[in-house]
Amino acid sequence: SSELTQPPSVSVSPGQTARIACSGDALPRRYAYWYRQKPGQAPVVVIYNDNERPSGIPERISGSTSGTTVTLTIRGVQAEDEADYYCQSVDSAGTKVFGGGTRLTVL
Amino acid sequence: EVHLLESGGGLVQPGGSLRLSCAASGFTFRSYAMSWVRQAPGKGLEWVSSISHNGDSTYYTDSVRGRFTISRDNSKSTLHLQMHSLSPADTAIYYCAKDPPAPDYCEHWGQGTLVTVSS
Repeated sequence: SSELTQPPSVSVSPGQTARIACSGDALPRRYAYWYRQKPGQAPVVVIYNDNERPSGIPERISGSTSGTTVTLTIRGVQAEDEADYYCQSVDSAGTKVFGGGTRLTVL
Repeated sequence: EVHLLESGGGLVQPGGSLRLSCAASGFTFRSYAMSWVRQAPGKGLEWVSSISHNGDSTYYTDSVRGRFTISRDNSKSTLHLQMHSLSPADTAIYYCAKDPPAPDYCEHWGQGTLVTVSS
């Protein structure tokens, strides 16, 4: 299956670590990508190729993979991290598939 | 700096047509694959269509195949999405996106254009 499953929401207190999981059967064979989308804005890629950060993305944001699950980790969460986060991969046809998205709430 | 500017969105009746455009600048447009991704109100991201750097290869999600056509004009650094037989389910913000050299994700995004299908 090419589906990607994310929890609808994750809540953390400022300064804590947020972990957002994304599961999919194809993930052991495909790279995962993560996007952050703030209200009223376009998505921005924060992780590519499972664990690479584009320039301008802070080191406290990281990606990891284990079997059929990839995880976006945000250390030292700040109010500015509150956003929707989407994982994305590629299916067997080479086309893009998005997870349903996770709303990160900073308490 | 990569800049993508979508246009052409608006209100259209069910069954109608609309053509979206995306003006690209800040990179060598003809060298990169491009994509359209949409987001229905209050919903998640949905990949719609992609096109190879030279336009020879096109890809569509099942729900739009046969109704939407992606194309590009490399001489004008412009991406298009022609949409026919629109239904309320097509109501969404449509984002234009630049793919990286390995076109597996959306490296840069425009700000989107809203398409509303309603009578």
